[in-house]
Amino acid sequence: DTAVSQTPKYLVTQMGNDKSIKCEQNLGHDTMYWYKQDSKKFLKIMFSYNNKELIINETVPNRFSPKSPDKAHLNLHINSLELGDSAVYFCASSHLAGKGSPLHFGNGTRLTVT
Amino acid sequence: GIQVEQSPPDLILQEGANSTLRCNFSDSVNNLQWFHQNPWGQLINLFYIPSGTKQNGRLSATTVATERYSLLYISSSQTTDSGVYFCAVSEQAGTALIFGKGTTLSVSS
Repeated sequence: DTAVSQTPKYLVTQMGNDKSIKCEQNLGHDTMYWYKQDSKKFLKIMFSYNNKELIINETVPNRFSPKSPDKAHLNLHINSLELGDSAVYFCASSHLAGKGSPLHFGNGTRLTVT
Repeated sequence: GIQVEQSPPDLILQEGANSTLRCNFSDSVNNLQWFHQNPWGQLINLFYIPSGTKQNGRLSATTVATERYSLLYISSSQTTDSGVYFCAVSEQAGTALIFGKGTTLSVSS
Protein backbone atom coordinates (compact mmCIF):
# COMPACT_ATOMS: atom_id res chain seq x y z
CA ASP A 1 0.00 0.00 0.00
CA THR A 2 2.12 2.87 -1.29
CA ALA A 3 1.12 6.13 0.42
CA VAL A 4 2.44 8.56 -2.22
CA SER A 5 3.12 7.07 -5.62
CA GLN A 6 4.52 8.81 -8.65
CA THR A 7 5.16 7.62 -12.17
CA PRO A 8 7.33 7.17 -14.04
CA LYS A 9 10.38 6.43 -11.89
CA TYR A 10 12.76 7.30 -14.71
CA LEU A 11 12.19 9.61 -17.65
CA VAL A 12 14.78 10.09 -20.38
CA THR A 13 13.87 12.47 -23.16
CA GLN A 14 15.30 14.90 -25.66
CA MET A 15 15.38 18.69 -25.48
CA GLY A 16 12.25 20.32 -26.77
CA ASN A 17 9.91 17.45 -25.87
CA ASP A 18 6.88 17.71 -23.57
CA LYS A 19 6.50 15.25 -20.69
CA SER A 20 4.25 14.61 -17.69
CA ILE A 21 4.78 13.12 -14.24
CA LYS A 22 1.82 11.77 -12.29
CA CYS A 23 1.34 11.61 -8.55
CA GLU A 24 -1.32 10.06 -6.34
CA GLN A 25 -1.68 9.89 -2.56
CA ASN A 26 -3.97 7.63 -0.52
CA LEU A 27 -3.32 9.24 2.88
CA GLY A 28 -6.37 11.51 2.83
CA HIS A 29 -4.16 14.61 2.94
CA ASP A 30 -5.53 17.95 1.76
CA THR A 31 -2.29 19.34 0.35
CA MET A 32 0.13 18.09 -2.29
CA TYR A 33 3.50 19.44 -3.41
CA TRP A 34 6.13 19.20 -6.09
CA TYR A 35 9.76 19.52 -5.03
CA LYS A 36 12.82 19.56 -7.26
CA GLN A 37 16.13 18.05 -6.12
CA ASP A 38 19.18 19.19 -8.04
CA SER A 39 22.48 17.42 -8.56
CA LYS A 40 23.78 18.77 -5.23
CA LYS A 41 20.82 17.21 -3.43
CA PHE A 42 19.23 20.57 -2.67
CA LEU A 43 15.43 20.27 -2.34
CA LYS A 44 13.34 23.23 -3.46
CA ILE A 45 9.58 23.70 -3.41
CA MET A 46 8.01 24.31 -6.81
CA PHE A 47 4.24 24.17 -6.32
CA SER A 48 1.63 23.34 -3.73
CA TYR A 49 -2.07 22.60 -4.06
CA ASN A 50 -4.55 22.62 -1.21
CA ASN A 51 -7.90 20.98 -1.99
CA LYS A 52 -7.25 21.36 -5.71
CA GLU A 53 -6.34 25.04 -5.44
CA LEU A 54 -2.85 26.36 -6.19
CA ILE A 55 -1.48 27.99 -3.04
CA ILE A 56 2.26 28.06 -3.64
CA ASN A 57 3.89 28.88 -6.96
CA GLU A 58 7.58 29.55 -6.56
CA THR A 59 9.71 31.13 -9.25
CA VAL A 60 9.43 28.35 -11.78
CA PRO A 61 9.46 28.77 -15.59
CA ASN A 62 6.04 28.90 -17.24
CA ARG A 63 6.99 25.69 -19.04
CA PHE A 64 6.10 23.87 -15.83
CA SER A 65 2.36 23.52 -15.25
CA PRO A 66 0.86 21.60 -12.34
CA LYS A 67 -2.65 20.22 -12.50
CA SER A 68 -4.74 18.80 -9.67
CA PRO A 69 -7.91 17.02 -10.85
CA ASP A 70 -8.81 16.15 -7.25
CA LYS A 71 -7.12 16.40 -3.88
CA ALA A 72 -5.60 12.92 -4.20
CA HIS A 73 -3.81 13.66 -7.48
CA LEU A 74 -1.25 16.22 -8.59
CA ASN A 75 0.40 16.00 -11.99
CA LEU A 76 3.29 17.98 -13.40
CA HIS A 77 3.51 18.79 -17.10
CA ILE A 78 6.69 20.21 -18.55
CA ASN A 79 6.80 21.80 -21.99
CA SER A 80 9.83 22.35 -24.23
CA LEU A 81 12.22 20.48 -21.96
CA GLU A 82 15.70 21.97 -21.48
CA LEU A 83 18.98 20.41 -20.34
CA GLY A 84 18.73 22.34 -17.06
CA ASP A 85 15.45 20.59 -16.22
CA SER A 86 17.37 17.40 -15.51
CA ALA A 87 16.80 16.62 -11.83
CA VAL A 88 14.81 14.39 -9.50
CA TYR A 89 11.24 15.56 -9.01
CA PHE A 90 9.47 14.55 -5.81
CA CYS A 91 5.77 14.64 -5.11
CA ALA A 92 4.71 14.95 -1.46
CA SER A 93 1.58 15.35 0.63
CA SER A 94 0.53 16.49 4.09
CA HIS A 95 -2.23 18.25 6.01
CA LEU A 96 -1.73 22.00 5.92
CA ALA A 97 -3.98 23.37 8.66
CA GLY A 98 -2.53 24.66 11.91
CA LYS A 99 1.03 23.45 12.39
CA GLY A 100 0.70 21.00 9.53
CA SER A 101 1.50 17.32 9.69
CA PRO A 102 4.37 15.04 8.68
CA LEU A 103 5.27 15.43 5.02
CA HIS A 104 5.28 12.18 3.04
CA PHE A 105 7.26 11.90 -0.18
CA GLY A 106 6.88 9.72 -3.23
CA ASN A 107 9.94 7.83 -4.48
CA GLY A 108 10.86 10.49 -7.01
CA THR A 109 11.09 10.72 -10.79
CA ARG A 110 14.58 11.06 -12.22
CA LEU A 111 14.30 13.22 -15.33
CA THR A 112 17.21 13.24 -17.76
CA VAL A 113 17.08 15.62 -20.70
CA THR A 114 19.59 14.93 -23.49
CA GLY B 1 12.82 34.20 3.74
CA ILE B 2 13.86 31.88 6.51
CA GLN B 3 17.36 30.40 6.38
CA VAL B 4 18.11 26.83 7.43
CA GLU B 5 21.67 25.77 8.20
CA GLN B 6 22.71 22.20 8.95
CA SER B 7 25.97 21.02 10.41
CA PRO B 8 28.21 19.24 9.88
CA PRO B 9 27.88 18.95 6.09
CA ASP B 10 29.58 15.55 6.13
CA LEU B 11 30.06 12.94 8.83
CA ILE B 12 31.95 9.65 8.71
CA LEU B 13 31.40 7.11 11.48
CA GLN B 14 32.31 3.58 12.43
CA GLU B 15 29.42 1.28 13.14
CA GLY B 16 28.32 1.57 16.76
CA ALA B 17 29.30 5.22 17.19
CA ASN B 18 26.90 7.96 18.28
CA SER B 19 26.37 11.26 16.49
CA THR B 20 24.56 14.58 16.76
CA LEU B 21 23.32 16.54 13.77
CA ARG B 22 22.34 20.19 14.17
CA CYS B 23 19.82 22.42 12.41
CA ASN B 24 19.78 26.18 12.99
CA PHE B 25 17.06 28.39 11.62
CA SER B 26 16.91 32.15 11.29
CA ASP B 27 13.35 32.91 12.39
CA SER B 28 10.45 31.52 14.37
CA VAL B 29 8.94 28.38 12.91
CA ASN B 30 5.61 26.64 13.32
CA ASN B 31 6.73 23.37 11.75
CA LEU B 32 10.04 21.48 11.78
CA GLN B 33 10.70 18.03 10.39
CA TRP B 34 13.70 15.72 9.94
CA PHE B 35 14.09 13.45 6.93
CA HIS B 36 16.47 10.70 5.88
CA GLN B 37 17.30 10.20 2.22
CA ASN B 38 18.70 6.70 1.83
CA PRO B 39 21.27 5.72 -0.81
CA TRP B 40 18.41 4.67 -3.10
CA GLY B 41 17.03 8.20 -3.04
CA GLN B 42 13.94 7.60 -0.92
CA LEU B 43 12.99 10.42 1.44
CA ILE B 44 11.69 9.12 4.76
CA ASN B 45 10.09 11.30 7.40
CA LEU B 46 11.86 10.72 10.72
CA PHE B 47 10.31 13.30 13.02
CA TYR B 48 7.66 15.97 13.02
CA ILE B 49 8.98 18.11 15.87
CA PRO B 50 8.18 21.84 16.01
CA SER B 51 9.14 21.79 19.69
CA GLY B 52 10.13 19.38 22.44
CA THR B 53 11.77 15.97 22.30
CA LYS B 54 10.80 12.74 20.58
CA GLN B 55 12.40 9.32 20.38
CA ASN B 56 12.04 6.54 17.87
CA GLY B 57 14.30 3.58 18.53
CA ARG B 58 17.94 4.62 18.18
CA LEU B 59 16.97 8.04 16.90
CA SER B 60 15.80 11.00 18.91
CA ALA B 61 15.26 14.67 18.16
CA THR B 62 15.00 17.83 20.21
CA THR B 63 13.80 21.22 19.05
CA VAL B 64 14.38 24.34 21.13
CA ALA B 65 12.17 26.75 19.23
CA THR B 66 13.00 29.77 21.41
CA GLU B 67 16.71 29.36 20.58
CA ARG B 68 16.05 28.45 16.95
CA TYR B 69 17.74 25.10 16.68
CA SER B 70 17.00 21.40 16.51
CA LEU B 71 19.22 18.38 17.13
CA LEU B 72 18.99 14.86 15.74
CA TYR B 73 20.74 12.16 17.75
CA ILE B 74 21.71 8.83 16.25
CA SER B 75 22.93 6.23 18.71
CA SER B 76 24.74 2.95 17.96
CA SER B 77 24.88 3.82 14.28
CA GLN B 78 24.46 1.10 11.66
CA THR B 79 25.45 1.00 8.01
CA THR B 80 21.78 1.38 7.10
CA ASP B 81 21.85 4.83 8.71
CA SER B 82 24.00 6.08 5.84
CA GLY B 83 22.50 8.72 3.60
CA VAL B 84 21.58 12.38 3.77
CA TYR B 85 19.70 13.86 6.71
CA PHE B 86 17.59 16.93 6.01
CA CYS B 87 16.02 19.41 8.36
CA ALA B 88 13.04 21.37 6.99
CA VAL B 89 11.02 24.22 8.48
CA SER B 90 8.08 26.46 7.72
CA GLU B 91 7.50 29.89 9.24
CA GLN B 92 3.74 29.94 9.30
CA ALA B 93 0.66 27.91 8.55
CA GLY B 94 -0.05 27.50 4.87
CA THR B 95 3.56 27.65 3.73
CA ALA B 96 5.69 24.84 2.38
CA LEU B 97 8.68 23.35 4.16
CA ILE B 98 12.03 24.94 3.35
CA PHE B 99 14.90 22.46 3.39
CA GLY B 100 18.46 22.79 4.64
CA LYS B 101 21.34 21.50 2.53
CA GLY B 102 21.58 18.32 4.53
CA THR B 103 24.21 16.32 6.42
CA THR B 104 25.70 13.40 4.51
CA LEU B 105 26.37 10.50 6.89
CA SER B 106 28.55 7.53 5.99
CA VAL B 107 28.65 4.62 8.42
CA SER B 108 31.22 1.90 7.77
CA SER B 109 31.41 -1.57 9.29
